[in-house]
Amino acid sequence: EVQLLESGGGLVQPGGSLRLSCAASGLTLSSFGMSWVRQAPGKGPEWVSSISSDSIYTYYADSVKGRFTISRDNSMNTLYLQMNSLRAEDTAVYYCAKIGKLGLWYFDYWGQGTLVTVSS
Amino acid sequence: EIVLTQSPGTLSLSPGERATLSCRASQSVSSSYLAWYQQKPGQAPRLLIYDASSRATGIPDRFSGSGSGTDFTLTITRLEPEDFAVYFCQQYGTSSPTFGPGTKVDIK
Repeated sequence: EVQLLESGGGLVQPGGSLRLSCAASGLTLSSFGMSWVRQAPGKGPEWVSSISSDSIYTYYADSVKGRFTISRDNSMNTLYLQMNSLRAEDTAVYYCAKIGKLGLWYFDYWGQGTLVTVSS
Repeated sequence: EIVLTQSPGTLSLSPGERATLSCRASQSVSSSYLAWYQQKPGQAPRLLIYDASSRATGIPDRFSGSGSGTDFTLTITRLEPEDFAVYFCQQYGTSSPTFGPGTKVDIK
């Protein structure tokens, strides 16, 4: 059974930083592209970032470009999201999600999410 | 960026009834690269449909997707109690995938 388990969320002040982790089990992470998707309370999901299976290619939404960095450690079967210069509008539940098909960014497995709250 | 609009915002139906949910894109979605997800309170979204009409693994055949270009539909032929939830569409035909705001299907 595929499981994705996020951690690292919490309360942070505007301008602060957080690092999210996503530990995978039941699949070999190195075979798949992965993404982070966030969802603010009462809103639809918002794609944040994606990374290719070999880490060569990374992609970011304009709203986070230059502030967030996606990375992965395939030996640890773990995905990361480093978030810097956080703003109130970054407040959301952050999900890691497995990309469904090579090059096509729909998401067939999701973690349970970790809440990030940016507030003073 | 492709903007997705979903209608209606809320659909009030009874178990056993048919649900028809609409997703409209601001521009044509390349190769019908559209997905549908179901989300229940406190849970992550669950993939139902990809490529506009292909059911994901383990999804019952009462769920079906159709459409192309800018207009897409999710149909649930006979609502089961576990189908009352929020449904989102998502396009992935560009390098900036986007989601719709959702349609809530609640019990009448």
